[in-house]
Amino acid sequence: KQEVTQIPAALSVPEGENLVLNCSFTDSAIYNLQWFRQDPGKGLTSLLLIQSSQREQTSGRLNASLDKSSGRSTLYIAASQPGDSATYLCAVRTTDSWGKLQFGAGTQVVVTP
Amino acid sequence: EPEVTQTPSHQVTQMGQEVILRCVPISNHLYFYWYRQILGQKVEFLVSFYNNEISEKSEIFDDQFSVERPDGSNFTLKIRSTKLEDSAMYFCASSGTSGGTEQFFGPGTRLTVL
Repeated sequence: KQEVTQIPAALSVPEGENLVLNCSFTDSAIYNLQWFRQDPGKGLTSLLLIQSSQREQTSGRLNASLDKSSGRSTLYIAASQPGDSATYLCAVRTTDSWGKLQFGAGTQVVVTP
Repeated sequence: EPEVTQTPSHQVTQMGQEVILRCVPISNHLYFYWYRQILGQKVEFLVSFYNNEISEKSEIFDDQFSVERPDGSNFTLKIRSTKLEDSAMYFCASSGTSGGTEQFFGPGTRLTVL
């Protein structure tokens, strides 16, 4: 059974520092992995999708890496800003599913000015 | 930019009542999903839907739940007889294809069962 874990549960950084968010999963038979941002009481905003055949995906200040064999993905956010404060979720789709995403509990990020 | 929309944003109901949550997926998407998030917990998958059929469902999605695409634009989740434990944020999502593309989520409907 796939388990998705995000550590730490929360982190606080000063503005300008780079953010490193971790996601681990127990079953390496994944189809893809998606990173989301969730603001309090709001929906999920898709940030990046990495296919299982990819090692890395970039969008602006965001870069996500995937090491499928070790069951890990890392989301890097360069030069953090107070507007980056949110909860970041990772979710995996396993190869035996029809699109079901399995989510981690998220990392709550606070960027202080 | 196309987006998934959901109505209502907040629904309050009495235990035992039926509720219908509505979603309008992105117009050219073919796959539709419902997820829920109980306060303070992980986002959980409920069901996926393609070509007017359920393609996958979770253990949570029991007989009290049903989904429908009544027309070319709407996608609904019905809870027949709500329980206190159904209180959660319900998210609709859509994707162009099942596995290869991103899932885009709506803003959610907060369901409160009293």
